[in-house]
Amino acid sequence: SQQGEEDPQALSIQEGENATMNCSYKTSINNLQWYRQNSGRGLVHLILIRSNEREKHSGRLRVTLDTSKKSSSLLITASRAADTASYFCATPESRGYSTLTFGKGTMLLVSP
Amino acid sequence: GAGVSQSPSNKVTEKGKDVELRCDPISGHTALYWYRQSLGQGLEFLIYFQGNSAPDKSGLPSDRFSAERTGGSVSTLTIQRTQQEDSAVYLCASSLVEQGSSGNTIYFGEGSWLTVV
Repeated sequence: SQQGEEDPQALSIQEGENATMNCSYKTSINNLQWYRQNSGRGLVHLILIRSNEREKHSGRLRVTLDTSKKSSSLLITASRAADTASYFCATPESRGYSTLTFGKGTMLLVSP
Repeated sequence: GAGVSQSPSNKVTEKGKDVELRCDPISGHTALYWYRQSLGQGLEFLIYFQGNSAPDKSGLPSDRFSAERTGGSVSTLTIQRTQQEDSAVYLCASSLVEQGSSGNTIYFGEGSWLTVV
């Protein structure tokens, strides 16, 4: 079952600009995570935000969570060409908490 | 090893043949996951192992797919009588404890790219 949905599907920006990606989900969660994937290979965990948190920072990353709207956003500030990748949000599977459900991702292209 | 290791990295097989994909999780991780990702798509959950508990096989798309985890460590995903629609990247991941209840991170391998011709 599809839990998280990212928006937009693709985003193209210039180096130095900020990139904002959004994620919506359907059921109650106790945490939400963001992952990054380069070139269709393994995913790398970026940040986890718990349901009792509204905002979290990690370096140039800022994540917000609005449980009333069942949505989250990932902001990458001062983007770099190396940030080019696909970004996925992931939430605990609605049938239980043993797995994560991933959205289809946002493909970010940062041009020099 | 330092991370989740998967083999082979790439596999091209003929339709109808069986394939085995191997995953070596991070040492000490009790939970192991298999996901599938088709081109340009999100991750599709396949199967989950947690310690000595019965695996959650609810994501396996057909009875041609099976997986086992021996000794609570290495896992093998087997696809029998492969079909062209099985072409995808198969991603293995592991985590220290059950994901969700405490929000621990899942660590992914680099994946096995399967092409069925």
